[in-house]
Amino acid sequence: GNSVTQMEGPVTLSEEAFLTINCTYTATGYPSLFWYVQYPGEGLQLLLKATKADDKGSNKGFEATYRKETTSFHLEKGSVQVSDSAVYFCALSDPGRGSTLGRLYFGRGTQLTVWP
Amino acid sequence: NAGVTQTPKFRVLKTGQSMTLLCAQDMNHEYMYWYRQDPGMGLRLIHYSVGEGTTAKGEVPDGYNVSRLKKQNFLLGLESAAPSQTSVYFCASSYNEGGFPDTQYFGPGTRLTVL
Repeated sequence: GNSVTQMEGPVTLSEEAFLTINCTYTATGYPSLFWYVQYPGEGLQLLLKATKADDKGSNKGFEATYRKETTSFHLEKGSVQVSDSAVYFCALSDPGRGSTLGRLYFGRGTQLTVWP
Repeated sequence: NAGVTQTPKFRVLKTGQSMTLLCAQDMNHEYMYWYRQDPGMGLRLIHYSVGEGTTAKGEVPDGYNVSRLKKQNFLLGLESAAPSQTSVYFCASSYNEGGFPDTQYFGPGTRLTVL
């Protein structure tokens, strides 16, 4: 079946530190992979995505590369800011047809806190 | 362009009461979804719809019903609320990209407490 495992938090960093949040997945077929971010009191927003192996998604200084050989999609940022404090969710989109088409499977989320 | 909106933002119910959560999107998206978010559990899919007049069960459908009478609206109903349904509910929508649903866009959420 489909599942996503991401590193448990919380993660606490100082401003300008390097960030890595690990995400691995299990899937039947070839899913699309996503990172969503949730700021306090808000809904989820798409941060970046990759639709096939070796694709790199990037946005706002965040990057993640779709690694089929290691079934991973780790999120990285070279220099975090206080405004990056949020919960980050890794997700995969079921590539199957029929009743499961497009369904998203989420990891449990990783809370990031950045201190000035 | 408001995107995905949800009504209400907060609600407190007593056990056994009923209510309907409304989701509306103005992006002409085909697909709509209802999720619940519980601490340490990520998001879990309750029901979804691939088009007007169609609905399907997700991962945790028990105790919920849905309807999609208009393309832009997706309603989630609780007929007899239980404390286990205390959660934050998110609606999402996505468009059809070449026969496959693309990126999902989320509403701001409804925080529901069942006493």
